[in-house]
Amino acid sequence: EAGVTQFPSHSVIEKGQTVTLRCDPISGHDNLYWYRRVMGKEIKFLLHFVKESKQDESGMPNNRFLAERTGGTYSTLKVQPAELEDSGVYFCASSQDWSYGYTFGSGTRLTVV
Amino acid sequence: AQSVTQLDSHVSVSEGTPVLLRCNYSSSYSPSLFWYVQHPNKGLQLLLKYTSAATLVKGINGFEAEFKKSETSFHLTKPSAHMSDAAEYFCVVRPASGNTGKLIFGQGTTLQVKP
Repeated sequence: EAGVTQFPSHSVIEKGQTVTLRCDPISGHDNLYWYRRVMGKEIKFLLHFVKESKQDESGMPNNRFLAERTGGTYSTLKVQPAELEDSGVYFCASSQDWSYGYTFGSGTRLTVV
Repeated sequence: AQSVTQLDSHVSVSEGTPVLLRCNYSSSYSPSLFWYVQHPNKGLQLLLKYTSAATLVKGINGFEAEFKKSETSFHLTKPSAHMSDAAEYFCVVRPASGNTGKLIFGQGTTLQVKP
């Protein structure tokens, strides 16, 4: 089966610009997660979708971040406007059921300059 | 609050020698525990998981981990390191309480394997 796909793999934008990250989960996986790793820190949870609904968005840092999962398939994470501290690697993961484990994508490395 | 502590940020071993990556967790309930590995420019790959069955868990590529509730530890071991094992390793806990499936990551341990 195809894995979790994220794009772009890298993005360099200027402070104040908008960036949209995309995640395509494994087909049939209802659960989709976004995580972020800021340089020097641990990987942290951002939010969790079950199908198209936000199950838990307690990790979203502020209202400059907007996640969507229209139709319960792929998901986008928009940062608007981007700030320097948003730089990091954004991971997406999907699962059919957590007991089976989570499949992670390769991540999007975002650099805000 | 749930937390995970990886006791070493960097571990260096020689090829063919044993690997030990240490992890301690803090959880109010019986958690599920995972080890993930990330090779350069790759995604996070699941090595093994503990979900309240056998306390000694065998994973891929010869890795295994033992869940010790009394010590709140879940150390990752491998009898003989291979050059291809050089990567960053993450100990991860999924708290038993709640049902969001949210994962809590340790800080990561970079494993260097010397020839």
